[in-house]
Amino acid sequence: AQSVTQPDIHITVSEGASLELRCNYSYGATPYLFWYVQSPGQGLQLLLKYFSGDTLVQGIKGFEAEFKRSQSSFNLRKPSVHWSDAAEYFCAVDMNSGYSTLTFGKGTMLLVSP
Amino acid sequence: GAGVSQSPSNKVTEKGKDVELRCDPISGHTALYWYRQSLGQGLEFLIYFQGNSAPDKSGLPSDRFSAERTGGSVSTLTIQRTQQEDSAVYLCASSLIGGRTHGYTFGSGTRLTVV
Repeated sequence: AQSVTQPDIHITVSEGASLELRCNYSYGATPYLFWYVQSPGQGLQLLLKYFSGDTLVQGIKGFEAEFKRSQSSFNLRKPSVHWSDAAEYFCAVDMNSGYSTLTFGKGTMLLVSP
Repeated sequence: GAGVSQSPSNKVTEKGKDVELRCDPISGHTALYWYRQSLGQGLEFLIYFQGNSAPDKSGLPSDRFSAERTGGSVSTLTIQRTQQEDSAVYLCASSLIGGRTHGYTFGSGTRLTVV
């Protein structure tokens, strides 16, 4: 079955340090890939998406993600984390088959320390 | 509207009662999705509406769950005879066409608590 894995449940990063959140998917073909962020009590906000072309995609709030087909990964990165980035981050895939629906990873909670 | 609107934002109900959750998608978005977010389960797909096509109900967890979308716009998710395991945040999203290339816009959700 298709699946999305975010191996880190929690990550703590110092403010100003770099960040990488991992995401792997299990699917035979290249899916459409998304990263969302959820602040407490809020809905999900789209950070960035990939479906073709350049494998390094830029998103909002200074985030970027790189699609690596050979590793079935779509890791999210930010060079310098701000305290306001503390939130939960979800990787999601649309398997590009039949109906368009998203399968989400379990999420990674980012904590930012001073 | 400017975003996806969900109501109520919070709902507390007694076990066994029926509840209705409402979603008002972005104007012009033809696709509408319901997801459930619960502790330990992450985000689960429930149901998908696309235009006038038959909805994809494959994610509904039981026959106590149903959803309608009237006039291709507002959607209502109904849970009959609520159980404590139904407690979760119910998120609605909408998108242009299928969402694959445009992304999905989520509402803030309805937090349902069954006591």
